[in-house]
Amino acid sequence: NAGVTQTPKFQVLKTGQSMTLQCAQDMNHEYMSWYRQDPGMGLRLIHYSVGAGITDQGEVPNGYNVSRSTTEDFPLRLLSAAPSQTSVYFCASSYSRGGSYEQYFGPGTRLTVT
Amino acid sequence: DAKTTQPPSMDCAEGRAANLPCNHSTISGNEYVYWYRQIHSQGPQYIIHGLKNNETNEMASLIITEDRKSSTLILPHATLRDTAVYYCIVRAGTGGFKTIFGAGTRLFVKA
Repeated sequence: NAGVTQTPKFQVLKTGQSMTLQCAQDMNHEYMSWYRQDPGMGLRLIHYSVGAGITDQGEVPNGYNVSRSTTEDFPLRLLSAAPSQTSVYFCASSYSRGGSYEQYFGPGTRLTVT
Repeated sequence: DAKTTQPPSMDCAEGRAANLPCNHSTISGNEYVYWYRQIHSQGPQYIIHGLKNNETNEMASLIITEDRKSSTLILPHATLRDTAVYYCIVRAGTGGFKTIFGAGTRLFVKA
């Protein structure tokens, strides 16, 4: 299994541009999430999904959209990039095991907005 | 979710056991204790979790006090590769996939 994959690894955008960060998992996990991590900070939850067709907002959803048309894919869209969105973005997938969850994270996308 | 308190940093000698403490005095009965770590620039990695009983896997052991108000993650023989930020997280079962990360403990393993 490849686990959780993210593309691209690095991206530079100009203010106002839009783009989609890709995330895929091949473990048939029901749950997927997007986080951002600013320098020297912990991870903050942006959006999450409990299954195909179902998404919800996390702590910091403004400026981002998500959709989940398949179990495997959970893309994150930046509608109009701003310098405040410069960050490292991590995608995660998880499954339920007896009422608890283990999350598996991708390698991250490093985004710079100028 | 219960708040957790961890020391900001700790040192450990290579080959010795690393004992990372976590306080979660407001933990509820249905909340699990999870541990993750993040090695520099990489995505967080799941380590272990538990509800009431002590747990052990190939990476670490988790010791939860009888009153569940604190726990300790034990890396039995720390190596330089274990240098990372370790996060203690308390989550109810239904929300376990929406992990909320705090500041964690930065563990330095020294040769």
